Amino acid sequence: GQQLNQSPQSMFIQEGEDVSMNCTSSSIFNTWLWYKQDPGEGPVLLIALYKAGELTSNGRLTAQFGITRKDSFLNISASIPSDVGIYFCAGQAYTGTASKLTFGTGTRLQVTL
Amino acid sequence: GAVVSQHPSWVICKSGTSVKIECRSLDFQATTMFWYRQFPKQSLMLMATSNEGSKATYEQGVEKDKFLINHASLTLSTLTVTSAHPEDSSFYICSARTGVKYEQYFGPGTRLTVT
Repeated sequence: GQQLNQSPQSMFIQEGEDVSMNCTSSSIFNTWLWYKQDPGEGPVLLIALYKAGELTSNGRLTAQFGITRKDSFLNISASIPSDVGIYFCAGQAYTGTASKLTFGTGTRLQVTL
Repeated sequence: GAVVSQHPSWVICKSGTSVKIECRSLDFQATTMFWYRQFPKQSLMLMATSNEGSKATYEQGVEKDKFLINHASLTLSTLTVTSAHPEDSSFYICSARTGVKYEQYFGPGTRLTVT
């Protein structure tokens, strides 16, 4: 099935640094979701975005729904060791009982002390 | 809120046997649940969409006779891997969708190992 392109694929950063990652699609989405997955666990919903241009924060996390509706960005400020994990974006083309998520390829984040 | 549980969290079975995995939405009703499969270092791949009271919709390439899905109530969906083989070993994750804004919440996953 279709997957969204996420970049970077992986990144090593130092504790305290800010992190940016993005997700792009060839098609339009009405909803963007960002998830974090720890090893051996299911993804946890971080932020949900519903309108083009929307900027939403959740603690140190900020995500934006791109104006074109074909991309989304996630920023993490002042990273800490527990931010380690894989971050997935997911897009939903429409809201309705038949809709389903399309997932990104993931960004693996590693934080060094 | 929006908690999804899965049971078991891991299972080892012999080749040829069947395994059932349960997915429950604990604090909300989910008319739609989803089953995903994830290989190491890869993204989630949707296997099927399960609607309460109706037949599941399988993604292309997923064998419906091998991966039986039942969504008997608004809080429970089950995935049965029939006649499991080593190539079915994987991490299986379910998710449940709320009726509010169609957000999906995921269970903790089930690690299946077929020997």
